[in-house]
Amino acid sequence: ETGVTQSPTHLIKTRGQQVTLRCSSQSGHNTVSWYQQALGQGPQFIFQYYREEENGRGNFPPRFSGLQFPNYSSELNVNALELDDSALYLCASSPGTSGGRFGAGGTDTQYFGPGTRLTVL
Amino acid sequence: AQRVTQPEKLLSVFKGAPVELKCNYSYSGSPELFWYVQYSRQRLQLLLRHISRESIKGFTADLNKGETSFHLKKPFAQEEDSAMYYCALLYSSASKIIFGSGTRLSIRP
Repeated sequence: ETGVTQSPTHLIKTRGQQVTLRCSSQSGHNTVSWYQQALGQGPQFIFQYYREEENGRGNFPPRFSGLQFPNYSSELNVNALELDDSALYLCASSPGTSGGRFGAGGTDTQYFGPGTRLTVL
Repeated sequence: AQRVTQPEKLLSVFKGAPVELKCNYSYSGSPELFWYVQYSRQRLQLLLRHISRESIKGFTADLNKGETSFHLKKPFAQEEDSAMYYCALLYSSASKIIFGSGTRLSIRP
């Protein structure tokens, strides 16, 4: 059983550029969530995908968008990068046994990837 | 507004001493609360959730709705407990989860 993987590990971009981050879910998982973690802060929820559809969204502007593919891997796209987008981006997959509802009944444990460190100059 | 507060950025205790990591939440509905842990050079992982009422690695956490708290406790700290701990609130009505800013626990030998 393979764990959650993310690519790339590190990335440097300049303001105004666009970036795509990738996540491969743990085997057998159909739900993926993305988080932004600024230095010294806890993870902030960006959005969640269940069976290729967005299933919940945090307080992030539309320039943060995502995709989930039929194999349940996922992408996070950020357009028009700003300096404040510099952060560690985490993805987490879960089995989706709660029908995609976020942790409904607490049955879905999230398994986190190692993160992608994005620096915007 | 929904909020999770971890008032201590750093907590340092001696090995064998009791540990209590504080977490307070703000949520008008029925909360689901979790503790996550990140050991050095490891990934963020779930430690425990309140509905399971379980003890993991000697840690327990009780939901106190009156005080809106979900403090993490362990009677006797061990050096391997040194890590970053995050409290998290799930409000499934909105399919959202909020993390606190974390507490770094350091166990002194």
